[in-house]
Amino acid sequence: AQKITQTQPGMFVQEKEAVTLDCTYDTSDPSYGLFWYKQPSSGEMIFLIYQGSYDQQNATEGRYSLNFQKARKSANLVISASQLGDSAMYFCAMREGGDSWGKLQFGAGTQVVVTP
Amino acid sequence: NAGVTQTPKFQVLKTGQSMTLQCAQDMNHEYMSWYRQDPGMGLRLIHYSVGAGITDQGEVPNGYNVSRSTTEDFPLRLLSAAPSQTSVYFCASSYSSISGVTYEQYFGPGTRLTVT
Repeated sequence: AQKITQTQPGMFVQEKEAVTLDCTYDTSDPSYGLFWYKQPSSGEMIFLIYQGSYDQQNATEGRYSLNFQKARKSANLVISASQLGDSAMYFCAMREGGDSWGKLQFGAGTQVVVTP
Repeated sequence: NAGVTQTPKFQVLKTGQSMTLQCAQDMNHEYMSWYRQDPGMGLRLIHYSVGAGITDQGEVPNGYNVSRSTTEDFPLRLLSAAPSQTSVYFCASSYSSISGVTYEQYFGPGTRLTVT
């Protein structure tokens, strides 16, 4: 069963606007971590932000913030003040606890195109 | 630090050939993983390791072997290449903090494999 769902295959956003990328997850493990990665057209995987299941506050890293709604099992990424360089594929991923510490499960990704 | 390195960057194989994709990290990370990325999909876990001498299967292990004789190296072997193994392969490593929580996975640049 799909554990990470990203329902937006692609979206356009204008430069300087904010954009929200949706991510829902499914787990019964009380200890888990949620990640967002960016993959530009060059192909590398760039870590953006992390949220632990026990973290009390939403994670923020510069222009990136994670809107973590635990009861709804959603972990949406918000990119503020979009830049042309933000055009990329964005992946949401989850790591469960216990023996799964080294394993990430990825969503299918959302392609973001930032327009001038 | 070089981080996570992968060789080769590109490879073309004929059906039935075998080869080894190399992965090395110089960060003394305990956890190492191999993922494959197919068009339109997120990354899927092939095999992972929680330390030297310890490996386990991920979501799509068939047709691949791994071993981990040192902390630094985690090679992925294709036993008899098939066209369905045409993909981009990523190696990743991560660590546990003192509290036992792992954070981001550091990804290598990827190997683009084509099987004809």
